[in-house]
Amino acid sequence: DAGVIQSPRHEVTEMGQEVTLRCKPISGHNSLFWYRQTMMRGLELLIYFNNNVPIDDSGMPEDRFSAKMPNASFSTLKIQPSEPRDSAVYFCASSFGYETQYFGPGTRLLVL
Amino acid sequence: GESVGLHLPTLSVQEGDNSIINCAYSNSASDYFIWYKQESGKGPQFIIDIRSNMDKRQGQRVTVLLNKTVKHLSLQIAATQPGDSAVYFCAENRGYSTLTFGKGTMLLVSP
Repeated sequence: DAGVIQSPRHEVTEMGQEVTLRCKPISGHNSLFWYRQTMMRGLELLIYFNNNVPIDDSGMPEDRFSAKMPNASFSTLKIQPSEPRDSAVYFCASSFGYETQYFGPGTRLLVL
Repeated sequence: GESVGLHLPTLSVQEGDNSIINCAYSNSASDYFIWYKQESGKGPQFIIDIRSNMDKRQGQRVTVLLNKTVKHLSLQIAATQPGDSAVYFCAENRGYSTLTFGKGTMLLVSP
């Protein structure tokens, strides 16, 4: 069975550009989480969805970040405009309910 | 001096030794705990979990111990192998809430 799928795996962009990260959760899971990981701050929860509805976006750094989940099998995290301080690894994870989360391979974002 | 990043606790062991990684959790109301392993360049990977009504759970080469009195969780890895080298995170959950992750411990296994 396929795990959580994320794309792209690597993204290099210039400051000011829009960046869209994509995630396909594990089939049957009803919760989806977006995390950011940096050396400075570790693993941070940005936002999570339950049954496609955003439940808590208090971890989203600022208005430049937005996330959507139009259906149970797809979610996007968008940064517009991107800044160098957004450089990080972004993980998507999914779970059934609020228990064991299964992580994707991550998207390594570098904003120049 | 200026901080350049998280200073993860590091445990260095020899191949074949048993490893014990510790974690202190914060909320006495937490009722579910998970250990994750993160290898370089990969996402965190589920290893083992335990509920608060248990104090020990065993998997393949791994054992998790839970001491609710002192809010302490440990992961024991038997016969540690070079492939076990990674950062290990504990996470706690309380009811209908998200997981709260610890800062992580780096395990280095020397052949």
